[in-house]
Amino acid sequence: KAGVTQTPRYLIKTRGQQVTLSCSPISGHRSVSWYQQTPGQGLQFLFEYFSETQRNKGNFPGRFSGRQFSNSRSEMNVSTLELGDSALYLCASRQIIGTGVETQYFGPGTRLLVL
Amino acid sequence: DQQVKQNSPSLSVQEGRISILNCDYTNSMFDYFLWYKKYPAEGPTFLISISSIKDKNEDGRFTVFLNKSAKHLSLHIVPSQPGDSAVYFCAASVEGGATNKLIFGTGTLLAVQP
Repeated sequence: KAGVTQTPRYLIKTRGQQVTLSCSPISGHRSVSWYQQTPGQGLQFLFEYFSETQRNKGNFPGRFSGRQFSNSRSEMNVSTLELGDSALYLCASRQIIGTGVETQYFGPGTRLLVL
Repeated sequence: DQQVKQNSPSLSVQEGRISILNCDYTNSMFDYFLWYKKYPAEGPTFLISISSIKDKNEDGRFTVFLNKSAKHLSLHIVPSQPGDSAVYFCAASVEGGATNKLIFGTGTLLAVQP
């Protein structure tokens, strides 16, 4: 089974621009989450989508948004980019088949550099 | 406010010895804890988890210990191998882990010397 894929892997943007990152979950996984990793803050939860609906949200400004499509693929958008948005953006997927705990599987991430 | 803290940014251990990675948390509502390993240019990989109703969980060379009164957990790797060299993140969640919202620590870089 293919793992979580993220595109693009690397991206360079300038301040004020917007960016869209894409995540394809593992086949059959319906839950997708996004995290931001920076050297000083570690991994921080952005949001989670399940069945095209946002289920959970972290403490990020409204410039960060996302969506999920009917095939479970997800996109994350950041508008009006700031230098501090430079980070590794990780996507994780999970199956959710019952009340048990299912592991999240992470993609390799998209490294965004804002100049 | 860092709810999950890994106070050691790095750790160096000889091959064959024990590696002990530590993690402290402040939120008493956390009831599920996980450890992830991350190599450069890859996403984090799940290692082991523990529910707050337990104080120990073991999986091969990896053991996680939870001390709820001290709000402290640790990951023991025995014996350490050079391939274990990576950044280790501890993470916590509420709702027994039935949520994707994990609160991560800032990571500890483990270097296992041959």
